[in-house]
Amino acid sequence: GESVGLHLPTLSVQEGDNSIINCAYSNSASDYFIWYKQESGKGPQFIIDIRSNMDKRQGQRVTVLLNKTVKHLSLQIAATQPGDSAVYFCAENKAAGNKLTFGGGTRVLVKP
Amino acid sequence: DTEVTQTPKHLVMGMTNKKSLKCEQHMGHRAMYWYKQKAKKPPELMFVYSYEKLSINESVPSRFSPECPNSSLLNLHLHALQPEDSALYLCASSQDLGTTGEQYFGPGTRLTVT
Repeated sequence: GESVGLHLPTLSVQEGDNSIINCAYSNSASDYFIWYKQESGKGPQFIIDIRSNMDKRQGQRVTVLLNKTVKHLSLQIAATQPGDSAVYFCAENKAAGNKLTFGGGTRVLVKP
Repeated sequence: DTEVTQTPKHLVMGMTNKKSLKCEQHMGHRAMYWYKQKAKKPPELMFVYSYEKLSINESVPSRFSPECPNSSLLNLHLHALQPEDSALYLCASSQDLGTTGEQYFGPGTRLTVT
């Protein structure tokens, strides 16, 4: 079936280093992708999104890359900080009904 | 105000109980959502409301009954739940059902069914 998934369940990173979180998707018809951050005890928080007609988008300390050829999405966090420790989910937004399908999630642990 | 609020934060209920989860937003959003999230799993969509009408039901068992009394409120009525229904229930809202509508999530209600 169609799914959005992640390669690494847990990522440990030294404070100040860059983090890269990867996500594979299988629905080539998806036209919109989103990264969410979920801290313990909280709901998912929007980080950044990208449309399928783009291959890169930058935000504050974050960059999302989309490779449609291999159906791969990544989130890069520059200069990772302790506050970046959380679970990160990629999600695809299907064309109808604003339905979000989430990937499995990656836990990022920032070491001081 | 970009906040989605949910009450209660925690709920413990027996399998014969009837309870309700509440969600509220004052961003003028016309689409609202219920998700279920099991531990260490991603959120899974349950229901979508658009302009106070049920738009999507993801084959959710009838023991979960959503209600949208007005554009700011979304309820989830619970009856005769099973222990496997224990999860974090997340509410979200977006401006509308457009494909690029960012969804704002509440903190969730952690439900335990005993």
